[in-house]
Amino acid sequence: GNSVTQMEGPVTLSEEAFLTINCTYTATGYPSLFWYVQYPGEGLQLLLKATKADDKGSNKGFEATYRKETTSFHLEKGSVQVSDSAVYFCALSKGFSEKLVFGKGTKLTVNP
Amino acid sequence: NAGVTQTPKFQVLKTGQSMTLQCAQDMNHNSMYWYRQDPGMGLRLIYYSASEGTTDKGEVPNGYNVSRLNKREFSLRLESAAPSQTSVYFCASSPETSGGARENIQYFGAGTRLSVL
Repeated sequence: GNSVTQMEGPVTLSEEAFLTINCTYTATGYPSLFWYVQYPGEGLQLLLKATKADDKGSNKGFEATYRKETTSFHLEKGSVQVSDSAVYFCALSKGFSEKLVFGKGTKLTVNP
Repeated sequence: NAGVTQTPKFQVLKTGQSMTLQCAQDMNHNSMYWYRQDPGMGLRLIYYSASEGTTDKGEVPNGYNVSRLNKREFSLRLESAAPSQTSVYFCASSPETSGGARENIQYFGAGTRLSVL
C-alpha cells in the first residue's frame, strides 16, 4: 500500500540555521506529494506541493523537489526563523479521488 | 473567510457518554474528512465523504459514526466514548479539481481536543 516515512524528531535548530526534513514514500504509479505545516494550537495548512517528477514546490522560503528515482520529497529551508517552529507533515495522494496518506510528522523548534 | 469551522474546541467526557463533533465549511467543497491526531501516530483518517449523501470508512472507523447533513456540514458522533478515543480531531475539506489535475489539497479546521475519562 501507499505509505510515507519522515525523519523522526524533534528537530531543534538555532535561528538562521539550514533545515532539512527527510521524507520518502512508497506508492504505485505517480503520486502527488505535499508538505503540510501545523503551527501550535492550529490545524494543518498546505505549505507546498509537487505533482510530477522533478517538480519543485516552494513557499515561504521552503522548497522540496519530487525525486522519483529516490522516491523522496525532502523539505529544505536555507535560514530558519523562530516563527517556523511547528510540526511538518509529508503526505501523498495518487489523484483527486485518492485519500491523502500522511507521515507521522516532524516537530521543529527554532531557538533565537 | 471562515473556511472550515469545528465545534466545540475542547470537550471532556466520561466513559460511556455520547457526543457529536460538528464541522462546517463555507468553500463549497464536495469532499470532507475526519481525522484523529495522536502523539507519534500522525493523522489517521476516520471517515470521509466524497459528496453530499455519501460516506466511507477510513483507516480507524470503529467507535465512530458520521453524517453528511448537507454539502456544508459533516458531523462525527461518538456513541459510547472510551478513553482510547482521547485525541485531537480534525475536520478537512477539499475542492473539485478540473482538467484531470492530480491534486488533493485539503483545508483543515482548528481541531477539537477531546478527553475521555
